[in-house]
Amino acid sequence: NAGVTQTPKFRILKIGQSMTLQCAQDMNHNYMYWYRQDPGMGLKLIYYSVGAGITDKGEVPNGYNVSRSTTEDFPLRLELAAPSQTSVYFCASRVPNSYEQYFGPGTRLTVT
Amino acid sequence: AQTVTQSQPEMSVQEAETVTLSCTYDTSENNYYLFWYKQPPSRQMILVIRQEAYKQQNATENRFSVNFQKAAKSFSLKISDSQLGDTAMYFCAFMKTSQGAQKLVFGQGTRLTINP
Repeated sequence: NAGVTQTPKFRILKIGQSMTLQCAQDMNHNYMYWYRQDPGMGLKLIYYSVGAGITDKGEVPNGYNVSRSTTEDFPLRLELAAPSQTSVYFCASRVPNSYEQYFGPGTRLTVT
Repeated sequence: AQTVTQSQPEMSVQEAETVTLSCTYDTSENNYYLFWYKQPPSRQMILVIRQEAYKQQNATENRFSVNFQKAAKSFSLKISDSQLGDTAMYFCAFMKTSQGAQKLVFGQGTRLTINP
């Protein structure tokens, strides 16, 4: 198993541009999550999904959108990039009734 | 809403020493998990140890152990015989076990440096 994969690893965006951060898992996990980690801080939940077709907002959803058309993929969309969205983005997945979340390697995004 | 607080932004010890990282949390839930995650410079999030709130016995994983004080809502991590590879950011995290997506709530982190 590849586990949780994220692409790209790094990206620089200009203000106002849009992009999609990709996340995929091959473990058949129902639950998937997107977090952001600002410099020197802990992770904060952006969006999550409990299964294909079901998504919900987390703690900091403004400026982002998600979709979950398949169990494997959970892309995160930034429509109008702002400097405040400069962060490291982590995707994670989990099976129901299991405590452990499996994290991807992260995407470092800089908006200038 | 749950909150997790780590009051030590940075800590530094010599190799082979013992170090304790502090964490407090606030919740009205009775059933939950607590975790310590390690984040080395590679950025990868690595689960170090977990504690179920219903268990009185403190969790232990090799050199890592916790001191879980449920009434005080305190969850500290002790690293014994510290090694250079323990240098990393350490995050305390909370997850309630009631129905729902069971989201993780993280503290701000403690940067731990192990000096040779």
